[in-house]
Amino acid sequence: DGGITQSPKYLFRKEGQNVTLSCEQNLNHDAMYWYRQDPGQGLRLIYYSQIVNDFQKGDIAEGYSVSREKKESFPLTVTSAQKNPTAFYLCASSVDRASYEQYFGPGTRLTVT
Amino acid sequence: GENVEQHPSTLSVQEGDSAVIKCTYSDSASNYFPWYKQELGKRPQLIIDIRSNVGEKKDQRIAVTLNKTAKHFSLHITETQPEDSAVYFCAASPDNTGTASKLTFGTGTRLQVTL
Repeated sequence: DGGITQSPKYLFRKEGQNVTLSCEQNLNHDAMYWYRQDPGQGLRLIYYSQIVNDFQKGDIAEGYSVSREKKESFPLTVTSAQKNPTAFYLCASSVDRASYEQYFGPGTRLTVT
Repeated sequence: GENVEQHPSTLSVQEGDSAVIKCTYSDSASNYFPWYKQELGKRPQLIIDIRSNVGEKKDQRIAVTLNKTAKHFSLHITETQPEDSAVYFCAASPDNTGTASKLTFGTGTRLQVTL
């Protein structure tokens, strides 16, 4: 383990509040990704970033926002507009835009009540 | 966009038997097909991958086969062991020249290896 970290491991929030999930990597990877994992649905791509100050929407970006101000950091904000935010969130990174293999962080389990 | 279907959703085998998990994809532009293993409470980890110019790839007890014409690929685990018990995900990605690799995942297969 190590290389890509997410904090906290568990996060609890009240409905209507925005919450930011942290993702940091020290692998010097250019590309970073956020996925959402729900039971029986596999992993779905929320946002991805190829380089600093650049990011694109994935398949389920509505209700989420990201920033990429530093190469090693790619925080995800779950906004109050996300209708069903309770899920397991995974961050990943890959070497550069031409690299296929993605390395995953340990994940953050978000519960919104 | 790409759509990946994975079967079965659960699979139970006895220790020493083989396990096969199958995936189909829809986008003919996909050319990279990884398999990830996720143990309970842990992060997904790449176990094997295959590119479209190869029909089969082996790594010890694990093998992946790809049929681009039929748009399906399979994971084969031989001589299964209890530590193979986990959820396995297949994924597909199109040619990513100029973009990050956008993986579309299957819904996962929970493999249980019984003694």
